[in-house]
Amino acid sequence: NAGVMQNPRHLVRRRGQEARLRCSPMKGHSHVYWYRQLPEEGLKFMVYLQKENIIDESGMPKERFSAEFPKEGPSILRIQQVVRGDSAAYFCASSYDRDQPQHFGDGTRLSIL
Amino acid sequence: SQQGEEDPQALSIQEGENATMNCSYKTSINNLQWYRQNSGRGLVHLILIRSNEREKHSGRLRVTLDTSKKSSSLLITASRAADTASYFCATDRGDRDDKIIFGKGTRLHILP
Repeated sequence: NAGVMQNPRHLVRRRGQEARLRCSPMKGHSHVYWYRQLPEEGLKFMVYLQKENIIDESGMPKERFSAEFPKEGPSILRIQQVVRGDSAAYFCASSYDRDQPQHFGDGTRLSIL
Repeated sequence: SQQGEEDPQALSIQEGENATMNCSYKTSINNLQWYRQNSGRGLVHLILIRSNEREKHSGRLRVTLDTSKKSSSLLITASRAADTASYFCATDRGDRDDKIIFGKGTRLHILP
């Protein structure tokens, strides 16, 4: 039973380009969460989605950032017109239900040149 | 904010010793969870303790919860080199539309 799969593991973009981060949740999980982590820091919540619906996006900047979790396919975190400050590790987690433990992917490390 | 705060920020102990990490939070919770993160990897769920529980065990892990003090502790007994990692607590108020809040973590280093 595959865990949460994130790709790519590493992504390099130049300022102004777009970054698309993908997350395939564990089989049977319909709840997906995106987090951002800076070195030596904890996780910062960005957005919580449940199959095609955004439940909570309070941690996601209103400009340039968007997230989706379509009926078919992986969840996508999209960052438009990236800036140096977007450099971080982005983690996705999934759970079977809202109050069940979250299972994490190994993250996408985004570097902005 | 009900963000959990782990204490200490960093901890180095000799292999075989016990390691204790603490977590404090601000508002009432439904449950509290502990996670481990190895360098360069995602978080791994260790244990969940509900607000009506006071103590929970899992292998060499012991978690306590004191809701009156709004604090929790994670004890790792007989530490091993493989326990070297960052440990995070996460608090859940239980509202379906509310997010789980992670603390900044304790970086544990087990010395050989």
